[in-house]
Amino acid sequence: EPEVTQTPSHQVTQMGQEVILRCVPISNHLYFYWYRQILGQKVEFLVSFYNNEISEKSEIFDDQFSVERPDGSNFTLKIRSTKLEDSAMYFCASSGTGKGANYGYTFGSGTRLTVV
Amino acid sequence: KQEVTQIPAALSVPEGENLVLNCSFTDSAIYNLQWFRQDPGKGLTSLLLIQSSQREQTSGRLNASLDKSSGRSTLYIAASQPGDSATYLCAVMNTGFQKLVFGTGTRLLVSP
Repeated sequence: EPEVTQTPSHQVTQMGQEVILRCVPISNHLYFYWYRQILGQKVEFLVSFYNNEISEKSEIFDDQFSVERPDGSNFTLKIRSTKLEDSAMYFCASSGTGKGANYGYTFGSGTRLTVV
Repeated sequence: KQEVTQIPAALSVPEGENLVLNCSFTDSAIYNLQWFRQDPGKGLTSLLLIQSSQREQTSGRLNASLDKSSGRSTLYIAASQPGDSATYLCAVMNTGFQKLVFGTGTRLLVSP
């Protein structure tokens, strides 16, 4: 069964450093997403990406965050200057041709980001 | 603004019991609803997806129902097993949006 692959599984970074989280979505999916889950809290939407541009973003997704699909297979989330409160599990997801309606979401196994 | 609530927050049952997890949402203009399973420190595994026009979906021992007008969904797990122990998350997609709005989850423990 097709999978969404995320790397690395765990990243530790110093406050103020830039981090890039990487994802390989399912190849025939058209919508790509990033979510995060702070320990003990709900899974929260960050951003959705379609046709090489952001289609929706949350209040959390401020100027410190950016997304890119550099080569047609990878999908990345960059945090420019990390803060302690960015520590969370970050999930990448993709959905099929029907805006998520027909095929639902497939999530990756997540990247645990720890900012020290 | 869509709010999703799950009750109970935690549930502990002996193996073999049938159980029901509840999800409620405040805005009935949903496009679909999805149930996920999350194991500790792991990702989200999709269990069932219900379109807004559907009343229920079944997969093995799992059955999910949807009552859009009352803003409720239930996940029924038959003959529970210790391997079912996990957190179960409900998430809705509103019409006109792509994002999922998640509930806080129900942490299930099935003891042998």
